[in-house]
Amino acid sequence: GNSVTQMEGPVTLSEEAFLTINCTYTATGYPSLFWYVQYPGEGLQLLLKATKADDKGSNKGFEATYRKETTSFHLEKGSVQVSDSAVYFCALNTGNQFYFGTGTSLTVIP
Amino acid sequence: NAGVTQTPKFRILKIGQSMTLQCAQDMNHNYMYWYRQDPGMGLKLIYYSVGAGITDKGEVPNGYNVSRSTTEDFPLRLELAAPSQTSVYFCASSYDPSGYEQYFGPGTRLTVT
Repeated sequence: GNSVTQMEGPVTLSEEAFLTINCTYTATGYPSLFWYVQYPGEGLQLLLKATKADDKGSNKGFEATYRKETTSFHLEKGSVQVSDSAVYFCALNTGNQFYFGTGTSLTVIP
Repeated sequence: NAGVTQTPKFRILKIGQSMTLQCAQDMNHNYMYWYRQDPGMGLKLIYYSVGAGITDKGEVPNGYNVSRSTTEDFPLRLELAAPSQTSVYFCASSYDPSGYEQYFGPGTRLTVT
């Protein structure tokens, strides 16, 4: 079946630290991959996406590369800010449905 | 362009009561979805729709019903509310799930006591 496995949180980093949140997936066919971000009290917002192998999605300093050989889509940012504190969800789409990981809570301290 | 809107934002129900969560989108998306998010958990798909008049069950449909009479609206009906349905409910829409992202509403926080 289809599923997404995300790195367990919570993650706490100091401002300007390097961030990696691991995401691996299992899917039939050729899924599209997404990272969503959820700020407190809000719905999910798309952060970045990649639709085929070796594509790199990027937005607001975040990056993730679609690795078919390792079935991974790890999220990275070189220097986090306090404003990046949120919950991050990895997701895949195949067919009519989307499948989400359990989310990783990130707190960035000054 | 309001995107995806949901009402109400908050609701407290007594066990056994019923209610309808409203969802509307103004992006002319064919695909619409209902998820629930329990504390510290990911999203679980309740129902989805690929167009007006067409709905299908997701992972956790029991205790819920949906209808899709128009492209814009996708209400979720809770019959005989139970404490296990205490959750945050998100509606989402998508132009085409193949490669296109979902747009989410702000959520409805429901408590059943």
